[in-house]
Amino acid sequence: EVQLVESGGGLVKPGGSLRLSCGASGFTFSSYSMSWVRQVPGKGLEWVSSISISSSYIKYADSVRGRFTISRDNAENSLYLQMNSLRTDDTAVYYCARDPERYFDYWGQGTLVTVSS
Amino acid sequence: DIQLTQSPSSLSASVGDRVTITCRASPGISSYLAWYQQKPGKAPKLLIYAASILQTGVPSRFSGSGFGTEFTLTISSLQPEDFATYYCQQLHNYPLTFGGGTKVEI
Repeated sequence: EVQLVESGGGLVKPGGSLRLSCGASGFTFSSYSMSWVRQVPGKGLEWVSSISISSSYIKYADSVRGRFTISRDNAENSLYLQMNSLRTDDTAVYYCARDPERYFDYWGQGTLVTVSS
Repeated sequence: DIQLTQSPSSLSASVGDRVTITCRASPGISSYLAWYQQKPGKAPKLLIYAASILQTGVPSRFSGSGFGTEFTLTISSLQPEDFATYYCQQLHNYPLTFGGGTKVEI
């Protein structure tokens, strides 16, 4: 059974940093691209970033480019999102998702990031 | 960026109804479209990808069609568990974008 479990969310002040993690199991992690998608509570979905199998191909939404860094550790079956210079409009539930071909076939349960003073 | 416009933004329907949701893309995206279902407090669930391919395990009452700029998600006979919000997503190019969502109320 495919499982994705996010962690690392919480309350942080504007300008602060946070690192999200996503642990994967039930599939060959090193064979899939992975992505982060976020959702402001009560609002729609926003793609954040994607990383290819070997980390050679990385994409970011304009809203996070230069502040967020996606990475992965295939040996540890883990995906990460380092978030720096956080703003109040980064407040959202962050989902990690398996990314076969730019769509998302499995999602984690999400982790809430709240940016507030 | 590719813009996706879903309509309607919400709808009310009865059990057994046929429901159709539309997603319009600008510019066109060939068949590079996916559909998701999201229930309150839960992560989205993939229903359809490549415009019309049903994800494994998804009931056959869900179907997708379309090409280019206009796409539809159809639920042939609405069930109580289909109460949810539905999103389309284009996979044609980056940045990947989602439609604004359609809330289906039973």
